[in-house]
Amino acid sequence: QSALTQPASVSGSPGQSITISCTGTSSDVGSYNLVSWYQQHPGKAPKLMIYEVSKRPSGVSNRFSGSKSGNTASLTISGLQAEDEADYYCCSYAGSSTFGVFGGGTKLTVL
Amino acid sequence: EVQLVQSGAEVKKPGESLKISCKGSGYSFTSYWIGWVRQMPGKGLEWMGIIYPGDSDTRYSPSFQGQVTISADKSISTAYLQWSSLKASDTAMYYCARPLIGYYDAFDIWGQGTMVTVSS
Repeated sequence: QSALTQPASVSGSPGQSITISCTGTSSDVGSYNLVSWYQQHPGKAPKLMIYEVSKRPSGVSNRFSGSKSGNTASLTISGLQAEDEADYYCCSYAGSSTFGVFGGGTKLTVL
Repeated sequence: EVQLVQSGAEVKKPGESLKISCKGSGYSFTSYWIGWVRQMPGKGLEWMGIIYPGDSDTRYSPSFQGQVTISADKSISTAYLQWSSLKASDTAMYYCARPLIGYYDAFDIWGQGTMVTVSS
């Protein structure tokens, strides 16, 4: 099971919007609407930001949104804030034998 | 409060065995899957495997199948990750995480992580 493909880094200025892509295959992202996104600050455990492609857990800002088209899922952060600077990981269900696979991670820099 | 509390940091030598733990509290331990995630120093998250403590149904990522063993003791609400013979390349932070009920991938509760260092 190969890791999902994410850009290594993205950047944006405060107030702008950015989008992080997550490309998988027809065996994972393309087959299931079970894509989640995590935010990880240095030295901290990951935090769930989006699940089931576009749902937000309670307490997560509505500046975070998710979508999917074919084998590619996307996380969009609008109104960038300094505290959004972190690493972001996508994750997809990959079938009943393996269950899950993460993306390689994307470092978001807020300029 | 729902939480997962992991055992403390470990320093081991190559070839040694190790079992780290993850204790759940504040929820029905047998009703949720528990997953294990590896993060090597400076690297990304890797899905290792997942267990359903209710019936011990366990699934492994192909990369970790045969390399580790995931288990759970529902009588004490604790999941485990174990190695029979550690390698230097096992040096990493290991997280346990609980997904939302009915999900396998949406980990909303995370342990604090257990740092495992393997060095001669």
